Amino acid sequence: EIVLTQSPATLSLSPGERATLSCRASQSVSNKLGWYQQKPGQAPRLLIYGASNRATGIPARFSGSGSGTDFTLTISSLEPEDFAVYFCQHRSNWPLTFGGGTKVEIK
Amino acid sequence: EVQLLESGGGLVQPGGSLRLSCAATGFTFSRHDMAWVRQAPGKGLEWVSYIYADDSKTVYADSVKGRFTISRDISKNTLSLQMNSLRAEDTAVYYCTKSMPSAALFDSWGQGTLVTVSS
Repeated sequence: EIVLTQSPATLSLSPGERATLSCRASQSVSNKLGWYQQKPGQAPRLLIYGASNRATGIPARFSGSGSGTDFTLTISSLEPEDFAVYFCQHRSNWPLTFGGGTKVEIK
Repeated sequence: EVQLLESGGGLVQPGGSLRLSCAATGFTFSRHDMAWVRQAPGKGLEWVSYIYADDSKTVYADSVKGRFTISRDISKNTLSLQMNSLRAEDTAVYYCTKSMPSAALFDSWGQGTLVTVSS
């Protein structure tokens, strides 16, 4: 099973700041990784697929990068609606696994 | 607009059974792989089961293998999850999800249905 480790667990930032979230895989997943955003009481929403491709309707301030074992989700300038929990997920093999999440909170 | 509407959650005793359903609208259900993902209260996401569109091949997480069965009814555009021998650790919100084409990443999610396993 591929283990995805997300860091930091919590990121405290102010609106307008840049957020950098990390996801590290226990073995290579190539570019078969996605990122999701989840707000309290809501279902997750797909942000990024193929490590760097924005899903439909996702603003350009969200970007993904990386391949192999190290991945980054960057939010270039935080909007109030971006404060949420972010999860990465690989699709390299079975079982599919998710990272433990990074909470982006208002400082 | 894609819509996924789960039903069937509730309180069940350990060892009991429950069947979740997901009504899918707004897309060609027969052409998309589907999956169930769950989230225990206050915890992260856990993939549960996956069903392929073309041959209905199924895949399960080890934690539910032999106890849960995923299925789809093309005529009713419905995804189901039969859950048997339920345990306390199965307590979670269960999400019905639609997979992206040729990629086991989930681009649409239902609102979730809560399953509580407790005596």
